[in-house]
Formats: sequence, structure tokens, C-alpha cells
Amino acid sequence: KNEVEQSPQNLTAQEGEFITINCSYSVGISALHWLQQHPGGGIVSLFMLSSGKKKHGRLIATINIQEKHSSLHITASHPRDSAVYICAVRFLNGNQFYFGTGTSLTVIP
Amino acid sequence: DAMVIQNPRYQVTQFGKPVTLSCSQTLNHNVMYWYQQKSSQAPKLLFHYYDKDFNNEADTPDNFQSRRPNTSFCFLDIRSPGLGDAAMYLCATRPEPLSSYEQYFGPGTRLTVT
Repeated sequence: KNEVEQSPQNLTAQEGEFITINCSYSVGISALHWLQQHPGGGIVSLFMLSSGKKKHGRLIATINIQEKHSSLHITASHPRDSAVYICAVRFLNGNQFYFGTGTSLTVIP
Repeated sequence: DAMVIQNPRYQVTQFGKPVTLSCSQTLNHNVMYWYQQKSSQAPKLLFHYYDKDFNNEADTPDNFQSRRPNTSFCFLDIRSPGLGDAAMYLCATRPEPLSSYEQYFGPGTRLTVT
């Protein structure tokens, strides 16, 4: 069964804290995306991963294919990072995107 | 520069009154997707086009239709909107269906049904 789970569902952090959001999936994937959605806004693609690690500024995404797990890290968090972060995967057995339920992040000044 | 454009950004329609949402892309991508996202839920795929080939998801209501007159434009038609159709509608594109290609999202259209 194709499933995507994210944790935590809600996260509140103080400005400057290191943040980790986790994503686990059930079966083999061909690609995993981390997406950011601001309140009332559209979706921005942050990373697309199939292996290893990617870094963009304060954002780091890692994936462990054997463990079927990915993490999104935000270093030196800032209030403008407040958003919903969504993990989406494309499973090997199909071509559709499967979305996690999202992690709502609030960074307090 | 905007690559996937959705118009309008906000749309209000009356119960039962047909409404059309628009998506255009400057990327020349073959694949275009329409998603529906209700409050606090993950986006749900409604249908997608691969070039002119239309692919409907099994649980997409008949009330939802789509047109793709050319590569750049794709429309979502809701024939008789109900209160339950109020949502954010997201358009996305990809060069090809292959998994190695990234998907690009538009800003979304928020639909309100009164």
C-alpha cells in the first residue's frame, strides 16, 4: 500500500532553532519532493531527491532509501520560515504524486 | 518570471453557477495537472494531461471537467459548484511524466462558493 507519513504535524520553534521535519514512506520510490506552502498561498517546490542530500541556503534535505525516510532541516530558523511543509513522493509502482499531510511550522521571534 | 500562472487567484461563484479556472505555463511542458486542496488537507489529484491525452482520476466527480486547447493552457471547469467544492485549486506542470523530472506548481486559485 502506498503511504506517506510526516511528523510532527505541528511544530513551534523559537527563532534561531534548528528544525527537523520527518517523512516516511511505505514502499520504494523514484523521487521525493519537499514542498512549502504559505497560508493562503500556492506551493513552492524546495527540493527533489532520489538519493543522498541536497542543500539550499539554510535548508537541507536528506533521504535514506534503505530506511524509506527523508528529513528536511532548517538551520537558524526565522519567522518567515513559518509555513506548511509537505513531503510528496512518486512510488516506483506508479506515476502519481502521494502527499503527506504536512507539517505546520510556526517560528516565534 | 512566472512559469506557471493561474487566473484568477481568487474566485467567488454561486452555488450551481458554472465556473472556469485557468492555468497557463511558459515552460512548454507536456504534462499538466489539476489538484484540489481543501482546508488542512493534502492536495488531491483530479486529472492530468499528457500532451492531449486526458487522464481522469477514478474518484474525480463528473462535475469536474478539463480542457487543454494547446500546450500552454489548461482549464478546469466546474459545471455546477457545490459548497463542498470550495477549495484551493492548484495547477502543476512537468516536462514528461518520468519521475526524474521536477513538478512545478502554480500559485493556486482559491474558490469560494456562496
